[in-house]
Amino acid sequence: DQQVKQNSPSLSVQEGRISILNCDYTNSMFDYFLWYKKYPAEGPTFLISISSIKDKNEDGRFTVFLNKSAKHLSLHIVPSQPGDSAVYFCAASFTYSGAGSYQLTFGKGTKLSVIP
Amino acid sequence: EPEVTQTPSHQVTQMGQEVILRCVPISNHLYFYWYRQILGQKVEFLVSFYNNEISEKSEIFDDQFSVERPDGSNFTLKIRSTKLEDSAMYFCASSTAPSTGKSHGYTFGSGTRLTVV
Repeated sequence: DQQVKQNSPSLSVQEGRISILNCDYTNSMFDYFLWYKKYPAEGPTFLISISSIKDKNEDGRFTVFLNKSAKHLSLHIVPSQPGDSAVYFCAASFTYSGAGSYQLTFGKGTKLSVIP
Repeated sequence: EPEVTQTPSHQVTQMGQEVILRCVPISNHLYFYWYRQILGQKVEFLVSFYNNEISEKSEIFDDQFSVERPDGSNFTLKIRSTKLEDSAMYFCASSTAPSTGKSHGYTFGSGTRLTVV
């Protein structure tokens, strides 16, 4: 049961161009979405997030877009740099009422290769 | 920058043996998690821990698994009798209060690669 789907296992982009990584979700209860970046032999590193009340969040070269009606989000990296080459995971969570932790549901990841 | 530290980085164990994976979360974080990633698959939630008790667990986290915060700094995952299919990268993570800390997500450790032979 893949609640968070990243349908492209890999993506190659020329340095300086835009990288667009896509993610779809099926659970309409998700209200918070995150992107993580992972290098080999390291844990995932938080990159950027977006709440379901927004449709866009920008942080430097990284922008996340959320289309709730389509249950789709995307991560744009512009301009892409060789150091951006990594696996990018989309993750989603939903808010619980009251105190409690929240679990992240991850996609399978997209391996981005930025070619110099 | 504060880090989540995991030890060992790689552990090889025989099937049926008990293993303990160790984690030192970030000191002012209150929520602790274990995730795992089987090779080539997605990162999967195992368990979350808050206020000295499990707050959530997945169906993967069966009776063979347990977690503990034995002192003020360590957070451990124990697998009582390992199976071949437990071979995976295990990630520990910590976070601040979920309702206010979400904008920064979790901080993950670098993982422990568990190989069951």
